[in-house]
Amino acid sequence: GAVVSQHPSWVICKSGTSVKIECRSLDFQATTMFWYRQFPKQSLMLMATSNEGSKATYEQGVEKDKFLINHASLTLSTLTVTSAHPEDSSFYICSAPTRISNYGYTFGSGTRLTVV
Amino acid sequence: TQLLEQSPQFLSIQEGENLTVYCNSSSVFSSLQWYRQEPGEGPVLLVTVVTGGEVKKLKRLTFQFGDARKDSSLHITAAQPGDTGLYLCAGAHRDYKLSFGAGTTVTVRA
Repeated sequence: GAVVSQHPSWVICKSGTSVKIECRSLDFQATTMFWYRQFPKQSLMLMATSNEGSKATYEQGVEKDKFLINHASLTLSTLTVTSAHPEDSSFYICSAPTRISNYGYTFGSGTRLTVV
Repeated sequence: TQLLEQSPQFLSIQEGENLTVYCNSSSVFSSLQWYRQEPGEGPVLLVTVVTGGEVKKLKRLTFQFGDARKDSSLHITAAQPGDTGLYLCAGAHRDYKLSFGAGTTVTVRA
């Protein structure tokens, strides 16, 4: 089946530093990758959509200069949280649509980011 | 504002009981999907429904898609502790973006 590998699974960083999260599609080509954040006991909120070879599109209210997205190849999309602050602490998840799973979407395992 | 209203928000039942989770919207979606999420993990797809009036069964789970393709339900028969988790419905738009419901936390007590 379609697998999206997300790393790291958890990371702790100091305020002001940057953190990169990677999502790789292992057995299919992901021309599109969606990035979500999820706060405890809440649902997933779409942050941005990345498309291979073009600029990402961001949802309203999401700072594109703070959440840098790169989708340089058909199997790799990255999200970099720049100058992280404690309020950026959250669970970040990537997802790619795939027809392999009956028009469903394959999600990464998520990254727990804690900014101290 | 959530495009998809999911209810109830929390559900705690005894092993062997049945439960139903509802997902309602005023929007029409190209498909509606149900996911289950464990703590600290990404959501895992349970089912995708595409056709209005469609009913799909997955062992003890029954999924229905409303005739107008705006609402859906998930019914679990004879729930087991392994069914515990966060259940999310999500509607797919034509641009492949997903809108998620707020989620239903299901706890099945042994």
